[in-house]
Amino acid sequence: DAKTTQPPSMDCAEGRAANLPCNHSTISGNEYVYWYRQIHSQGPQYIIHGLKNNETNEMASLIITEDRKSSTLILPHATLRDTAVYYCIVWSNSGGSNYKLTFGKGTLLTVNP
Amino acid sequence: NAGVTQTPKFQVLKTGQSMTLQCAQDMNHNSMYWYRQDPGMGLRLIYYSASEGTTDKGEVPNGYNVSRLNKREFSLRLESAAPSQTSVYFCASKKAGSGETYEQYFGPGTRLTVT
Repeated sequence: DAKTTQPPSMDCAEGRAANLPCNHSTISGNEYVYWYRQIHSQGPQYIIHGLKNNETNEMASLIITEDRKSSTLILPHATLRDTAVYYCIVWSNSGGSNYKLTFGKGTLLTVNP
Repeated sequence: NAGVTQTPKFQVLKTGQSMTLQCAQDMNHNSMYWYRQDPGMGLRLIYYSASEGTTDKGEVPNGYNVSRLNKREFSLRLESAAPSQTSVYFCASKKAGSGETYEQYFGPGTRLTVT
């Protein structure tokens, strides 16, 4: 499986956009990029995923570079409730290996008033 | 839908005691998972069940056993608890199928302390 690299922590002002980077330089062609977050003491929560194209949903936008070696999760208007650890994960369902959703240490995003 | 539920929420065990952590999902998902999370660490996969009737080891299976009781329920058993098993345990479930890309849904966690 490809591995990901994320900064350990980031700060963001409330109401501003939070841009969380992720490097996945060894990603293979059939691997998706997933983002989850974990608010303190809660179970992880799915945010968004993508393969090649940029994606947007009600929570966030995902920008994937053309070479797919990195991506950025964008929270357009961060609130205090977005303070959490954000995990970037690359994952493939091919070959029946659908269990390999590997969580690293993620990025602790702190949204400040 | 309740989603993924876990019981108990908290548990304290003495070394050598046994216990079973329960997990249930009401989303008709095929796959279920057990993770542990130690302080300051990411999640590590203990066991998973790709579909009813099957179970497989993840990254850290030693000291644990699992049972996929039916499609809804997936339990994790500690036969002889050790202090190294002090952790937060998360259960998750997912629709599954080759070529599909469904997300995992997580339960609220069980906080286990072994003294």
